[in-house]
Amino acid sequence: EIVLTQSPGTLSLSPGERATLSCRASQSVSSSYFAWYQQKPGQAPRLLIYGASSRATGIPERFSGSGSGTDFTLTISSLEPEDFAVYYCQQYDTSPKYTFGQGTKLEIK
Amino acid sequence: EVQLVESGRGLVQPGGSLRLSCAASGFDFSSFSMSWVRQAPGKGLEWVSAISGSGYSTYYADSVKGRFTISRDNFKGTLHLQMSGLRDEDTAVYYCAKPYGDYPCFDSWGRGTLVTVSS
Repeated sequence: EIVLTQSPGTLSLSPGERATLSCRASQSVSSSYFAWYQQKPGQAPRLLIYGASSRATGIPERFSGSGSGTDFTLTISSLEPEDFAVYYCQQYDTSPKYTFGQGTKLEIK
Repeated sequence: EVQLVESGRGLVQPGGSLRLSCAASGFDFSSFSMSWVRQAPGKGLEWVSAISGSGYSTYYADSVKGRFTISRDNFKGTLHLQMSGLRDEDTAVYYCAKPYGDYPCFDSWGRGTLVTVSS
């Protein structure tokens, strides 16, 4: 079973700063099967990035994804107030099984 | 517009059963696999189960295998999750989720329905 480990657990930044969130897989993951989500309190998750680096419909350009193999990164180039939330990475393997990371909380400094 | 609306929330005793439903609209329901994803209070996301578009293939997380059954009615556009042998650790908000085209990730989610397992 593939385990996804996100770091840091909490990231404290100010609006306008750059955020870099990491997700490491316990074994190699197909980039086509890797995604990132944003979740705000009381809301369902929102798909941000699919295929490791493609933005989902309607997602602002400040969100970008990169990585391959076991190391993936979500970057928010310049934080807006609405970006402070919890972020999850997710992978799919052909068992089939979907696995989520434990989340990174992005909070206002 | 894609809409997914879950129902069936409730308080159940350990060992009990509950059936969740998800009413889907705004897309060709039978063309998409569908999943249930849950989130325990204050915790992260956990995929629970998936079903193919035809309904012939079903898949489960190890944590629910043998206790939960996923099904769908393509004529009515509804997804179901029959839960039995419920445990305290099954307490969570349960979301139904639709994949993003052919990609194995989820672009549409319901608002979720809360299942509480407690004596």
